[in-house]
Amino acid sequence: SYELTQPPSLSVSPGQTASITCSGNKLGDKYACWYHQKPGQSPVLVIYQDTKRPSGIPERFSATNSGNTATLIISGTQSMDEGDYYCQAWDSSTVVFGGGTKLTVL
Amino acid sequence: EVQLVESGGGLVKPGGSLRLSCATSGFIFSVYSMNWVRQAPGKGLEWVSSISRNSTFIYYADSLKGRFTISRDNAKNSMYLQMNGLRAEDTGVYYCAREVATAGHYFDSWGQGTLVTVSS
Repeated sequence: SYELTQPPSLSVSPGQTASITCSGNKLGDKYACWYHQKPGQSPVLVIYQDTKRPSGIPERFSATNSGNTATLIISGTQSMDEGDYYCQAWDSSTVVFGGGTKLTVL
Repeated sequence: EVQLVESGGGLVKPGGSLRLSCATSGFIFSVYSMNWVRQAPGKGLEWVSSISRNSTFIYYADSLKGRFTISRDNAKNSMYLQMNGLRAEDTGVYYCAREVATAGHYFDSWGQGTLVTVSS
């Protein structure tokens, strides 16, 4: 079965750029998306179709997807960006999530 | 406003059954595929099952081994998950999610989740 791998955690200082990676075999040949989940809340879609931002998601969120790696980039990270981030792809009619990355802003 | 509201969770003994419901409003339910996603306490997201807009295509995570059944009623704008043979490892929050099935499949709306606890 297809697998997506994310680093378990990442720490950045306020105002810095956070880059969260998601690795999977030939992931660049699929579409990747990203969700943000704060403690006790439901996930929120922040990136879809590799690079697109849903309405209401700040411009500081961007992403790339090439080769075996998709990357979520948060520019000028703010404290409100803390939480868990999950990548997701679709493979052979099933949905696959990465294990999640806990982002800490300190 | 798009709304997804799960219900039916609770405490159940190992081997028992539960039926989860997802009531929706604010969009044309019958044109969307729908999914269940779960999250064990302190763990990541795990996809459970998907159902196409007219129930023609249904898929499950391999780990479920035939214990769960997804269904929908477009007349009631609702989706369901029948869970049988529940195990401790099925404990967690179960979310329903609306799927956008275009180039890339992703979930643009989620419910608040319903907690399922399997324990003796």
